[in-house]
Amino acid sequence: EDKVVQSPLSLVVHEGDTVTLNCSYEVTNFRSLLWYKQEKKAPTFLFMLTSSGIEKKSGRLSSILDKKELSSILNITATQTGDSAIYLCAVGSGAGSYQLTFGKGTKLSVIP
Amino acid sequence: DSGVTQTPKHLITATGQRVTLRCSPRSGDLSVYWYQQSLDQGLQFLIQYYNGEERAKGNILERFSAQQFPDLHSELNLSSLELGDSALYFCASSSMKGTDLNTEAFFGQGTRLTVV
Repeated sequence: EDKVVQSPLSLVVHEGDTVTLNCSYEVTNFRSLLWYKQEKKAPTFLFMLTSSGIEKKSGRLSSILDKKELSSILNITATQTGDSAIYLCAVGSGAGSYQLTFGKGTKLSVIP
Repeated sequence: DSGVTQTPKHLITATGQRVTLRCSPRSGDLSVYWYQQSLDQGLQFLIQYYNGEERAKGNILERFSAQQFPDLHSELNLSSLELGDSALYFCASSSMKGTDLNTEAFFGQGTRLTVV
């Protein structure tokens, strides 16, 4: 059974801090790793990492995929209160189909 | 706005009843996923459809079923409802263009189901 584990489960930081969120996976037929941000309801897409694109950056957020270690990190620099959310890691896998398996998420709280 | 529409937003029903949740994917997306999110379980994959055909099945109970119609909208049917079925149900859609099957999924706002 495919498994995605995120750590830590929750994190409280002050504005301006840098945080690193972790994601490790055990899946059959790995295809991609995705990061989502969930604030109130729907998860919103942040990044997708694949064998051909193991590093992504957007503003203060960046992510790296380590295929050897079967893991990924999501870095957020100069955190702001608006970064408070649950960050979800998902792994895309499958041979004939494409499934997304999600981790339980890391709840990030940024306090002023 | 992701472009994925789910209705209804909220649903309160009694145990033993049956409900239908509806999802309209983003324009052009052929693939639809259903997920259940409860407080302690995170996002649990239920089922995936691609262009009307079931593609993958996750931890979906036998009391639950889904289908995708020719116009690509999808419905998730939940029957013989139990208290433990109370959760947020998400639909997501993705495009699968050509041979590049690595695509992100875009989520609807979810249907909050409360079984009383």
